[in-house]
Amino acid sequence: GNSVTQMEGPVTLSEEAFLTINCTYTATGYPSLFWYVQYPGEGLQLLLKATKADDKGSNKGFEATYRKETTSFHLEKGSVQVSDSAVYFCALEGDSGGSNYKLTFGKGTLLTVNP
Amino acid sequence: DAGVTQSPTHLIKTRGQQVTLRCSPKSGHDTVSWYQQALGQGPQFIFQYYEEEERQRGNFPDRFSGHQFPNYSSELNVNALLLGDSALYLCASRLTGLIYGYTFGSGTRLTVV
Repeated sequence: GNSVTQMEGPVTLSEEAFLTINCTYTATGYPSLFWYVQYPGEGLQLLLKATKADDKGSNKGFEATYRKETTSFHLEKGSVQVSDSAVYFCALEGDSGGSNYKLTFGKGTLLTVNP
Repeated sequence: DAGVTQSPTHLIKTRGQQVTLRCSPKSGHDTVSWYQQALGQGPQFIFQYYEEEERQRGNFPDRFSGHQFPNYSSELNVNALLLGDSALYLCASRLTGLIYGYTFGSGTRLTVV
């Protein structure tokens, strides 16, 4: 079956620091890849997506590139802000059984940005 | 444009009881999925509804059941509640055929005591 592994948290950074959250996946075929963000007490918000190899998703200064050769989709941001503090989830959409639209999530990475 | 609406926002139930959670999908969306998110974990897929039928199911017991109505809204029912069912239950909707990712609701926090 499909699986997503993302780096263990928590991650604590100072404002304006560089952020990387690693994500690797296992899937057959060509899954779509996503990063979701969850602020305290809220549901998930789609941050960015990539639907095929070498695609780069980007939003609000965050970027991630779909690397099929390394089965990775690492999240990066050049300069984090306090408001970026949240839990970040890497996810893929696809199913080795041929069905689709089911999201498989990693365990999440808590990011705390200090002023 | 309203997004995904879930009700209630919080709920406390006793072991052995039954609970029904409700979800209204984003306008124009026809597929609804339900996820369980335990504290400190990623969401786990429960099941998905499309055209009023359950299309996919995750590794959840039969105590978890659902329904989709003609207006695309959905319910999640859990019978014989266990302490381990305490979690945030998320509803997500999408329009079938478009790979834009799901739109998630804010969830229902269920506590079983």
